Amino acid sequence: DAGVTQSPTHLIKTRGQQVTLRCSPKSGHDTVSWYQQALGQGPQFIFQYYEEEERQRGNFPDRFSGHQFPNYSSELNVNALLLGDSALYLCASSHERYNSPLHFGNGTRLTVT
Amino acid sequence: EDKVVQSPLSLVVHEGDTVTLNCSYEVTNFRSLLWYKQEKKAPTFLFMLTSSGIEKKSGRLSSILDKKELFSILNITATQTGDSAIYLCAVVPPGGTSYGKLTFGQGTILTVHP
Repeated sequence: DAGVTQSPTHLIKTRGQQVTLRCSPKSGHDTVSWYQQALGQGPQFIFQYYEEEERQRGNFPDRFSGHQFPNYSSELNVNALLLGDSALYLCASSHERYNSPLHFGNGTRLTVT
Repeated sequence: EDKVVQSPLSLVVHEGDTVTLNCSYEVTNFRSLLWYKQEKKAPTFLFMLTSSGIEKKSGRLSSILDKKELFSILNITATQTGDSAIYLCAVVPPGGTSYGKLTFGQGTILTVHP
């Protein structure tokens, strides 16, 4: 049973560039949430996707956008990268109908130079 | 704004010690409180607490929630080096059926020496 998979595992970008991170949810899950975890901090909620629509959003600027595909996989896009965007980006999935806790992927480590 | 505070921020113990990790929250209303263990990258689920005063146990780990005093504790007895990790506490907001939007604390870094 495949868990949550994310790609790439590591990424180095320059300020001002754009980046796309990818996530495949755990088998059977239909909801995807994205989190940003800065060094030494707990994860912060970016947004959640269900039925290919953004359903909830945290306190992140519009530079952060996403997408969910019909197969439930998801992308996180960040435009005009800032040094402060350097972090571990975690994707988590769950099933909408069942009140089950989130399953997290291993994350993508983004470094902005 | 919801706030979750964990203490201590870091803890160093020796194998066999017992540790207590704390999580306090300033949340007007929430559905559940969750504990996760983060070893390298992916946080893994430990406990979900919904009712006050009911202890959840899994092997050497146990946790309890006090909704009146707004805190939860995670106990680990007979610690092992494999318990070294970041322990995260998170609250789930009310409403809806999805547990997507969690508010996390900053985590407690536990280091267990042999």
